[in-house]
Amino acid sequence: GAVVSQHPSRVICKSGTSVKIECRSLDFQATTMFWYRQFPKQSLMLMATSNEGSKATYEQGVEKDKFLINHASLTLSTLTVTSAHPEDSSFYICSAPARGHQDTQYFGPGTRLTVL
Amino acid sequence: QKEVEQNSGPLSVPEGAIASLNCTYSDRGSQSFFWYRQYSGKSPELIMSIYSNGDKEDGRFTAQLNKASQYVSLLIRDSQPSDSATYLCVPLTDSWGKLQFGAGTQVVVTP
Repeated sequence: GAVVSQHPSRVICKSGTSVKIECRSLDFQATTMFWYRQFPKQSLMLMATSNEGSKATYEQGVEKDKFLINHASLTLSTLTVTSAHPEDSSFYICSAPARGHQDTQYFGPGTRLTVL
Repeated sequence: QKEVEQNSGPLSVPEGAIASLNCTYSDRGSQSFFWYRQYSGKSPELIMSIYSNGDKEDGRFTAQLNKASQYVSLLIRDSQPSDSATYLCVPLTDSWGKLQFGAGTQVVVTP
């Protein structure tokens, strides 16, 4: 089946620094990718929809200037957490529907971010 | 109002028994539903998708959709300890593939 990768799988950073997380579709093209965040023992929360070649669409309550999303190609979307703080520590997951098959999502393995 | 309602559990199931998971949804326009499984600390993985009324079977899993009752269910036959996870009933919310996740039902299969 289709594969979505994320890099890094784990990252620890100091408060105030920025962290970039990559999401790649390895064997299919994705014009749309989704970014989720999951805090411990809570459900996945959709943060934003990443659109290739255009601006991302953010869910209500998600700061677009803090969570920068770039969808530079049909196989790569990046999420940059700017000026990270301990409350940004979470599990960040991306997903991508295969092009033309929006009902089938492929999830990345997730990135565990810890901000000290 | 939540998009879907699931019993959060934990649902304790003896090994070899059938685990029965239920989900009700509020949006009558929802057409597609997915059951995802999420192990602790991992991302969700798709178990089943169901689009039309009736049953759909795949191995030990059977999904059922009843649009009139706005009800989706998942049966896991011959439950194994490796089935211990959180199961998420997820509707497709738009044509771009946006999914809305709830808390899901935690299943614990006891040897």
